[in-house]
Amino acid sequence: DTGVSQDPRHKITKRGQNVTFRCDPISEHNRLYWYRQTLGQGPEFLTYFQNEAQLEKSRLLSDRFSAERPKGSFSTLEIQRTEQGDSAMYLCASSSRWTDTGELFFGEGSRLTVL
Amino acid sequence: DAKTTQPPSMDCAEGRAANLPCNHSTISGNEYVYWYRQIHSQGPQYIIHGLKNNETNEMASLIITEDRKSSTLILPHATLRDTAVYYCIVRVAGGPGYSTLTFGKGTMLLVSP
Repeated sequence: DTGVSQDPRHKITKRGQNVTFRCDPISEHNRLYWYRQTLGQGPEFLTYFQNEAQLEKSRLLSDRFSAERPKGSFSTLEIQRTEQGDSAMYLCASSSRWTDTGELFFGEGSRLTVL
Repeated sequence: DAKTTQPPSMDCAEGRAANLPCNHSTISGNEYVYWYRQIHSQGPQYIIHGLKNNETNEMASLIITEDRKSSTLILPHATLRDTAVYYCIVRVAGGPGYSTLTFGKGTMLLVSP
């Protein structure tokens, strides 16, 4: 499968714990995006990388959130000191700068439940 | 905030055409109209996009009004697998806004037998 993959698919944690999600984009894609989706809402943009550079961050990305893409390939999204309001689906997407028609390819998401 | 308005839900009989409307009255000249859909428990999937001409691909057709203030996504022969939330998005083709998609709540399309 050469699509966007995310791991883990599901995570249940207790409030106050740290969690980390991983995203592996389509191999030739140099743009990578993180979105968050809560029940009944559309996905909300969190942050965007072009290669290893984080070029845009939403105001939704509080100080407890950090995203990295150290070698311009896979990316991680870490949430520190989780809160119940962090419960959501975290979606990763990728696209190619060179053939970019505006189509983003999304993974199936990582669902976080904070107890 | 999303710059589009869509009905919250629509129904369609299997085999019939599904016509999903979208209003984007404040669209700018350099903004494209994109459609994505999200099947339950999956990530969003790109369907089609256009600037001002009508577009067609293997999944759907996109009809954009001449004043570009509204559009319609047409699924010509809806199947049960087309049951999903459909998002209409306007997106700048270049400049600082280029990188992001802003999703609204979309239209929940239910295709019934």
